[in-house]
Amino acid sequence: KAGVTQTPRYLIKTRGQQVTLSCSPISGHRSVSWYQQTPGQGLQFLFEYFSETQRNKGNFPGRFSGRQFSNSRSEMNVSTLELGDSALYLCASSLAGTGTEKLFFGSGTQLSVL
Amino acid sequence: DQQVKQNSPSLSVQEGRISILNCDYTNSMFDYFLWYKKYPAEGPTFLISISSIKDKNEDGRFTVFLNKSAKHLSLHIVPSQPGDSAVYFCAAMDSGGYQKVTFGIGTKLQVIP
Repeated sequence: KAGVTQTPRYLIKTRGQQVTLSCSPISGHRSVSWYQQTPGQGLQFLFEYFSETQRNKGNFPGRFSGRQFSNSRSEMNVSTLELGDSALYLCASSLAGTGTEKLFFGSGTQLSVL
Repeated sequence: DQQVKQNSPSLSVQEGRISILNCDYTNSMFDYFLWYKKYPAEGPTFLISISSIKDKNEDGRFTVFLNKSAKHLSLHIVPSQPGDSAVYFCAAMDSGGYQKVTFGIGTKLQVIP
């Protein structure tokens, strides 16, 4: 069974631009979560999607948005990039995103904003 | 506001000895706790978990202890092996709702051969 796939692996953007990151969950998994990892903050929850609906959202500005498609694939978009958005963005999937299900993470997209 | 705190950014241990990684939490709603391990250039992988109804959970060389009154948990690795060198994230969640896992900032463990 293939794991969680994130593309692209690396991205370099400049301030003010926007970026779209992609995540394909494990086959059969319908919940997709996004996390931002920075050295000083650890992994911070961005949002969680299930059946194309955002069920949960973290404390990030509206510049961060996402969506999920009918095949459970998800995209995350960051508009008007700022230097502080430089981070590793991790996607995780689970079967239904409830209770104590384990999260399965992708390898992440490393975003650098210059 | 860090609801899950890992106060030791790094830890070095000799191979064969015990590694103890600590974690504190502040949110009383958390009732399920997890440890994830992360190697460079890879995503975190689940290691071990514990429910708040237990105070200990063991899986091979890994044991997690939970002290609810102190809002403290620890991960013990015995014996430590060089392959255990990684960043360890403590995580917590309220199991009653949809998944929103709160992670600590991580502790980098180095096991010296």
